[in-house]
Formats: sequence, structure tokens, C-alpha cells
Amino acid sequence: AQSVTQPDIHITVSEGASLELRCNYSYGATPYLFWYVQSPGQGLQLLLKYFSGDTLVQGIKGFEAEFKRSQSSFNLRKPSVHWSDAAEYFCAVAAYNNDMRFGAGTRLTVKP
Amino acid sequence: DAGVIQSPRHEVTEMGQEVTLRCKPISGHNSLFWYRQTMMRGLELLIYFNNNVPIDDSGMPEDRFSAKMPNASFSTLKIQPSEPRDSAVYFCASRADRTSGNTIYFGEGSWLTVV
Repeated sequence: AQSVTQPDIHITVSEGASLELRCNYSYGATPYLFWYVQSPGQGLQLLLKYFSGDTLVQGIKGFEAEFKRSQSSFNLRKPSVHWSDAAEYFCAVAAYNNDMRFGAGTRLTVKP
Repeated sequence: DAGVIQSPRHEVTEMGQEVTLRCKPISGHNSLFWYRQTMMRGLELLIYFNNNVPIDDSGMPEDRFSAKMPNASFSTLKIQPSEPRDSAVYFCASRADRTSGNTIYFGEGSWLTVV
């Protein structure tokens, strides 16, 4: 079965600094990969997803992620973080028409 | 289009009581998921339905938990009897397998506290 690892439980960055959140997956074939964001007290909102094609995908709120098959990674990036980006970020992996497995999440704190 | 709708949004109940959480998936979606989120265990998949049929219930913690999907527009997750360790946020999510490319859409969650 597919699985996903987010090695960083908590990251703190200064507002305006760049951000990279790490995600590694385990799956026998090319998976479907997702990043979701969860603000406090809210549900999960899809930021972006990768199925095939261009390995650099653009999402909402200025986020992007790059699929690297050789590293089994799908890291999330943003060139300049805003205070409103403070939230919990989840990487997820799914096989076609199968369930979705989530990483443990990375909590992002943004310093003024 | 309305998103995934869950009720109740918040519930506080006493240990031993029965709890029923409800979910209305997005119209036209044929897969439905129940997840539980806690600080200790993160997001756990409890059960997954496809076309109203349970496909994988290996995440259901124990017999006190049961889930049903009597039709394409409604599902319930029941805990009987409830225990304090069941306190968590329970998310329902749905997916349209053929058209949305496996994107799962989440409801806003049901926040359960068992005292």
C-alpha cells in the first residue's frame, strides 16, 4: 500500500522568506500526489496535485511543488511566505481509484 | 455547488452515549471516506466506500465504530458506546473517481468531545 512521510513536524520561517516543505512517498508505481492545507479549526483545502506530465505543478496561493521520481519526493515550495500561510500542511498519496493516505503533517509558523 | 456537508459540527457527549456523525457527499461523487484526526495520530483513514459499498474498513478502530452508506447522498459514522479516547475531529470526504482525477474534497469536520 502507498504511504507518505513528512519529516518535519514543525517549521518556522520569517515573513517574506522562502519555504520548502518536504514530502517523501512510497508506492510501487507512479502515484497521484497532493498537498492540502488546514487552517486552525477548518477542514482540508487542496493546494495542488500531480498526476502526470510536467513535474513542476502550480497551485493556489502562490504554492508550487516538484515531483522527483528518483527521490520519491514531492516537496512544496513558496518563494515568499505571508503571515496568512501559517497553517498545517499535509502531503498525500493515492493510487488510481484507491484510498488516499496522508502524511503526519507539517505545522508552519510565520514570524513577523 | 455545495461541498461535503457534515453534521453536527460540534458535539460534546458523556462517556457511554451513542454518537452519530452524518455526511452528505458532493452530488455525483461515488467514493466517500471517513477520516479521524487527533494530535497523537494525525489523519487516519477509518473507512472508504465506493458506490455505497464499503471497500476498506481496516482503519475502523474497534467494534464500537460502525459506518453505513444507505444511498449515494448520505453516510453515517456511529460510535456506541463512546469513550473519552474517541475525542477527535472526524472528517468526511468525497471523490468523483472518473472526472476529478482522484482529488478528495473534505467537509469541515465534526468536532467530538467525549467527557
